[in-house]
Amino acid sequence: AQSVAQPEDQVNVAEGNPLTVKCTYSVSGNPYLFWYVQYPNRGLQFLLKYITGDNLVKGSYGFEAEFNKSQTSFHLKKPSALVSDSALYFCAVRDRDSGYALNFGKGTSLLVTP
Amino acid sequence: ETGVTQTPRHLVMGMTNKKSLKCEQHLGHNAMYWYKQSAKKPLELMFVYSLEERVENNSVPSRFSPECPNSSHLFLHLHTLQPEDSALYLCASSQEPGPTYEQYFGPGTRLTVT
Repeated sequence: AQSVAQPEDQVNVAEGNPLTVKCTYSVSGNPYLFWYVQYPNRGLQFLLKYITGDNLVKGSYGFEAEFNKSQTSFHLKKPSALVSDSALYFCAVRDRDSGYALNFGKGTSLLVTP
Repeated sequence: ETGVTQTPRHLVMGMTNKKSLKCEQHLGHNAMYWYKQSAKKPLELMFVYSLEERVENNSVPSRFSPECPNSSHLFLHLHTLQPEDSALYLCASSQEPGPTYEQYFGPGTRLTVT
């Protein structure tokens, strides 16, 4: 069985500071990991994914994530937060044996204050 | 969001009504998905279509009936719904249904069952 945990319901950070949104996963095979962002009254937007290769993945809007196999983590990061980054962030995982289900975490609300 | 569009954006229906949700993707993708997003719960995958063939039905009640007439269009037919079916219904598409492909989401239909 596969699962994703986002341990923080909310993350608060001041504009200009670095931000981290945490994600840990559990899969039986090699993981395929994704980050999505959801703004109010909007659908989910794809940010980045890890499939294989370099553990540091760069994505849209200056976001990046680091795959850590030993810690089974895939934390989302950004060097300098913007107020417009305030949104709901979802981590998701699939593996080769999981069928069609993209398993999402429950989401982390990011609030960036001016 | 011109990639995946959904109509209507908001829908209020009684428990005895019949209505349909529509999704259209303009990305040339071969796979389409219906998800349910309820407050405080992870996204739930409902149905998956690959090249107009339903390949997954995630134990969804029969009051939800999907239809995929071609690879660009997906419908969700609703009848005799319950108040607990009130949620945001999200449509998504991906190039292929395999686990390495990211999914692109529409803005969703906010459904309220009275």
